[in-house]
Formats: sequence, structure tokens, C-alpha cells
Amino acid sequence: NAGVMQNPRHLVRRRGQEARLRCSPMKGHSHVYWYRQLPEEGLKFMVYLQKENIIDESGMPKERFSAEFPKEGPSILRIQQVVRGDSAAYFCASSKLGQGEGEQFFGPGTRLTVL
Amino acid sequence: QQQVKQSPQSLIVQKGGISIINCAYENTAFDYFPWYQQFPGKGPALLIAIRPDVSEKKEGRFTISFNKSAKQFSLHIMDSQPGDSATYFCAAVSSNTGKLIFGQGTTLQVKP
Repeated sequence: NAGVMQNPRHLVRRRGQEARLRCSPMKGHSHVYWYRQLPEEGLKFMVYLQKENIIDESGMPKERFSAEFPKEGPSILRIQQVVRGDSAAYFCASSKLGQGEGEQFFGPGTRLTVL
Repeated sequence: QQQVKQSPQSLIVQKGGISIINCAYENTAFDYFPWYQQFPGKGPALLIAIRPDVSEKKEGRFTISFNKSAKQFSLHIMDSQPGDSATYFCAAVSSNTGKLIFGQGTTLQVKP
């Protein structure tokens, strides 16, 4: 039973480029969460999605960041015109039940480096 | 009110000792409190979790103690082993929102 899968595991972008991070939830899980971990810091919530719907995006920066979870395929976190401050580890988690009722299982993360 | 405060920031324990990490929260809407273990370069892994209707939960060497009136909870690692060396995060979530609010993390080193 595969866990949460994220790709790529490492991503290097130059300032101004776009970064696309993918997350495939565990089988049977329809709730996806994205978190960001800055160096030497804890994890910060970014966005919570259910299939085709954004449930809570209160942690997303207002500009340049977007997320989707289409009916088919993985969830995508998209960062446009990246800046050095976007360098971080981005983790995706999934749960079977939503609204805090289900355990959240994390993927291995994508480590984004902006040059 | 959404914060979860975790202490200590770092902890060194001898093999066989007890490791204790503490967390405090403010938001009384939180109703699920998990602990995650993270090794360098890896994602957080769920270790143990508790709901506020119980004061203690034990799984193997790991125990959560929960004090609802004080809005505090702690992780105890009994008979700590070098393999337990990792960063530990407490978290809290409200069933109204679903988003995990994490503490700042504790880096645990268990010396052989």
C-alpha cells in the first residue's frame, strides 16, 4: 500500500521561473494538505483541498502561489516567478476523512532551491 | 490563538533515559493532538495522537499526557534509544478546519 508520493524530490529553479510540485495521496484518501517548512523552522499550513475543491487556503501567500486537486491526477502546488525566499521543503499530506477527523500522512517532501 | 508552543528547542538524553517534550496551546477548539517524528531529509511520520477526552495514551515506549484544564500536553519517550534521535513536532487540529498547527519542533539527541 503506497504512501503519499511527491515529485520531484528536489527542484532547482532560478529567480523568476515557475515551480510545479506534485502530490499523489494515499489510495482511498481524497483530502490533501500542503505545508511548507523553512530551514530550521516548523511546518506551516498552506492549503487544504478535496477533489476539485479548495477547502481552506488561509495559509497561502496571496500572490504567485496556487494549488489544485483535479478529479483525475495528482494535486499540484504551483509557484510562479519564484524568489529566493521560496526556498523551502514543501510537504503534502493526505487523509481519508476531512475536517480534522482523519490522521494526516505525509509524503517525503519536495525541496525547492531558488538560485 | 492559533499558536502551539513547544519546548525545549533541543534535548540531549542518555541512552535508557526518559525524554520529555512539552506543548501548550490556546485555542480551545483544538480537539486532536498528534505528535510527529521527522528524520533529516524525510517527511514527518505520525507517532502517536490523543483526543482531549482522555488524559493519557501509551503506545510502546511513547506516552502522551494531556491536561485539558491547563491546555498542555507532553510526549514521554521511555528507555530512549539512539535511533530515537530525530526532530519531534507536536501539533493540534480542530475538526472545524482540518489544518494542523505545528509546534516549533524539538531536536532530540540520544547519546549511546
